[in-house]
Order: sequence, then C-alpha cells, then structure tokens
Amino acid sequence: EDQVTQSPEALRLQEGESSSLNCSYTVSGLRGLFWYRQDPGKGPEFLFTLYSAGEEKEKERLKATLTKKESFLHITAPKPEDSATYLCAVQGPGSARQLTFGSGTQLTVLP
Amino acid sequence: NAGVTQTPKFQVLKTGQSMTLQCAQDMNHNSMYWYRQDPGMGLRLIYYSASEGTTDKGEVPNGYNVSRLNKREFSLRLESAAPSQTSVYFCASSEALSNQPQHFGDGTRLSIL
Repeated sequence: EDQVTQSPEALRLQEGESSSLNCSYTVSGLRGLFWYRQDPGKGPEFLFTLYSAGEEKEKERLKATLTKKESFLHITAPKPEDSATYLCAVQGPGSARQLTFGSGTQLTVLP
Repeated sequence: NAGVTQTPKFQVLKTGQSMTLQCAQDMNHNSMYWYRQDPGMGLRLIYYSASEGTTDKGEVPNGYNVSRLNKREFSLRLESAAPSQTSVYFCASSEALSNQPQHFGDGTRLSIL
C-alpha cells in the first residue's frame, strides 16, 4: 500500500526566512511525485511533477527535489502570499494509477 | 480559462436525501476523478473515469455512484446521504491516467444533518 507522510504539519516563517517541507513516501515503483498548493476554500493547484531520483524543478521561490524515499519543497525568501497548505502526492503502478496524497503542511509566512 | 467547474459550491442535506454533484472540464482531458477531503486526512479517491464510457472504483466508493456523461462531464451521486459523507468533494481531470498531473476544481462543501 502506498503511503505518504508530510512534515511538519504546520510551519510559521517570517518573511524572508527560508525553509523546507518534507514528503516521505513508500511506493513500489514510483510513476510520479506531485506537489500542489491549496489555498483556503480552493482546490489544489498543481505546482510540480518529479519522476526520478535526483530530479529538481523550480518555480519562482519554490524548488522541489526528489530522492528514492522523500521529496523536499524548498522555499527561498518566502513572502506572505506563499502562505497556503502544500500537498504532496505519489502515483504508483497498477491499473488505477491513482494518486495517494499526504495530509499536507500548512505554511504561514508572517510579514 | 475555466478549467474544472463544480456545482454547487455549497449544499446542506438531511440524512437519507439524495443529490448529484456536477463537474465539467474544458481542457479536453480524457481522465476524470472524484475525491473527498476530510480534516486531518489526505484527499481520498472515490471514483475515477479513465476515458469516456468507463468508470472504476477508487479507495472509498461505498455510498456513491458516478456517471461519465460525455468527455467533459463527470457527475457524483449520493443515493441516500449519511452524516459520514459530510466532506468537501473535489473533481479533477488529467490528460491521461498515467504520469500526468491532475487539475482540480474548487470543490463542493457538503453538510449532511
């Protein structure tokens, strides 16, 4: 059974204070690891897909990295508008190809 | 760009009532999904449709039915609502089942009294 654990559950940062969010996963045969951002009252917004260990993707202040057991979402010099819940999901093999989501990290960036 | 549109946004039902949640996407995607999101839990897949004309059960299908009406539309039906089905329901779509990111609507917030 695929499993995804995200830590920490909640993180408060000062504006400009860089940090990382962790996504640990267990899946036999990773097809893809997905990062999403979710604002209150909204649906998840797609950020990145990572397919293999060593891969990195960047978008503005966000950088996602992948190893064989975990992924990190690095946030450099965050701004208040980066405040959101960040979700990680993995996709394994099998006919369903369904995503298994973690519970998310709620990030608050204080001005 | 509408993307994935869900209706209604909010709904309150009484136990035993039925209702259908509607979802439409305008991205010409082949695959569509229904999830529920509960506090402290990750999104859980209820049903999915790999392509027009096919539907399959996900992780938590009990108490729900789905219809893939055409390529654009995928509806979720609660035949006899129960308080345990109080949740936020999200519809998503992707180009294909495998390796493709899913794009989500803004959800339907459903309360069952």
